[in-house]
Amino acid sequence: GAGVSQSPSNKVTEKGKDVELRCDPISGHTALYWYRQRLGQGLEFLIYFQGNSAPDKSGLPSDRFSAERTGESVSTLTIQRTQQEDSAVYLCASSLVRMAQETQYFGPGTRLLVL
Amino acid sequence: RKEVEQDPGPFNVPEGATVAFNCTYSNSASQSFFWYRQDCRKEPKLLMSVYSSGNEDGRFTAQLNRASQYISLLIRDSKLSDSATYLCVVNRGGSYIPTFGRGTSLIVHP
Repeated sequence: GAGVSQSPSNKVTEKGKDVELRCDPISGHTALYWYRQRLGQGLEFLIYFQGNSAPDKSGLPSDRFSAERTGESVSTLTIQRTQQEDSAVYLCASSLVRMAQETQYFGPGTRLLVL
Repeated sequence: RKEVEQDPGPFNVPEGATVAFNCTYSNSASQSFFWYRQDCRKEPKLLMSVYSSGNEDGRFTAQLNRASQYISLLIRDSKLSDSATYLCVVNRGGSYIPTFGRGTSLIVHP
């Protein structure tokens, strides 16, 4: 079946521009996560959605970052006024929330390069 | 102390070797545990869940030690294709936010 998809796969932008990253989770998965992974580093949690609401935004690094989810499906991560330190791979994952055992299924990521 | 800690490695082993990784966690309320595998420039993928009684999947064995707050992954008869970064993931009880370790790098050479 279809997995998690993300677009674009690669994005090169100039410092100061806004970017939008898209995630299409697995159909029926109620939980959706965004992570950031800098080169050679671990996964950094950004935000979590349960349905269309985001009970935990604690990982968003600054107010330049925002995210929304609609229809309990597609999610968009927006970075305004991009900075060079925003360069990273942005990974989206979804899971079918079931008791306390949640396997996350990751998309291939969007590689963002801010020049 | 970090919430989830792993030795970053790299662990450099010959084909056929047995290798083990540990991962320690700080929150005693943690309830679910996983090992993920991440290949270079790829997304993480679930390798196996870790159950209290320990579990095995082919050449891979995962164990949980709640008293000492660590989980382990044992790989027997290593293959070249096992070369990857292995991520330890811990979910706190009552939270849906998993905590990822920074990963342990494994290199299997001929």
